[in-house]
Amino acid sequence: KQEVTQIPAALSVPEGENLVLNCSFTDSAIYNLQWFRQDPGKGLTSLLLIQSSQREQTSGRLNASLDKSSGRSTLYIAASQPGDSATYLCATGANSKLTFGKGITLSVRP
Amino acid sequence: GAGVSQSPSNKVTEKGKDVELRCDPISGHTALYWYRQSLGQGLEFLIYFQGNSAPDKSGLPSDRFSAERTGGSVSTLTIQRTQQEDSAVYLCASSFYGSWSYEQYFGPGTRLTVT
Repeated sequence: KQEVTQIPAALSVPEGENLVLNCSFTDSAIYNLQWFRQDPGKGLTSLLLIQSSQREQTSGRLNASLDKSSGRSTLYIAASQPGDSATYLCATGANSKLTFGKGITLSVRP
Repeated sequence: GAGVSQSPSNKVTEKGKDVELRCDPISGHTALYWYRQSLGQGLEFLIYFQGNSAPDKSGLPSDRFSAERTGGSVSTLTIQRTQQEDSAVYLCASSFYGSWSYEQYFGPGTRLTVT
């Protein structure tokens, strides 16, 4: 059974800092990995999807990497802003379902 | 274009009542998924539809939970004889073709509170 872990559960950084959010998973037999953002009381917004054959994806200030062999993914956020404050979830895709981590709640201080 | 929509956005019901939650996927998306987000459990998969059939119902927590999809579009998740532990946010997602190379797009969710 796939297990997805995101540590730490919460993170507070000053504005402008570059930061890395980590995600680890136990079963490397995945089709893809998705990073989502969730604002309080809202649904999920897809940020980046990395297919199993890819190593990384970039969108604006965000860069996500995938290392299937080690069961790790990272989400890099450059020059963080207060508007980046949210919960970030990673999820692995396999066997017709996504398996989610518990998320990292990010707070960017002005 | 329009995203995934869900209704109602909030539902408060008494223990023992039945509830129906609706999901309208993105037009043209053949795959539809239901997930549940609760405080203790995080986000959990419930069921997956490809067209009108549900090849994977493995996440449904009990036989009180059922779902159907008609016309390859709208889906309804039904919870019978609701219990307090059913309180959660129910999220629906859709994707194109259902291949796992394609992104899942999520709706805003239905917050269910069982009193």
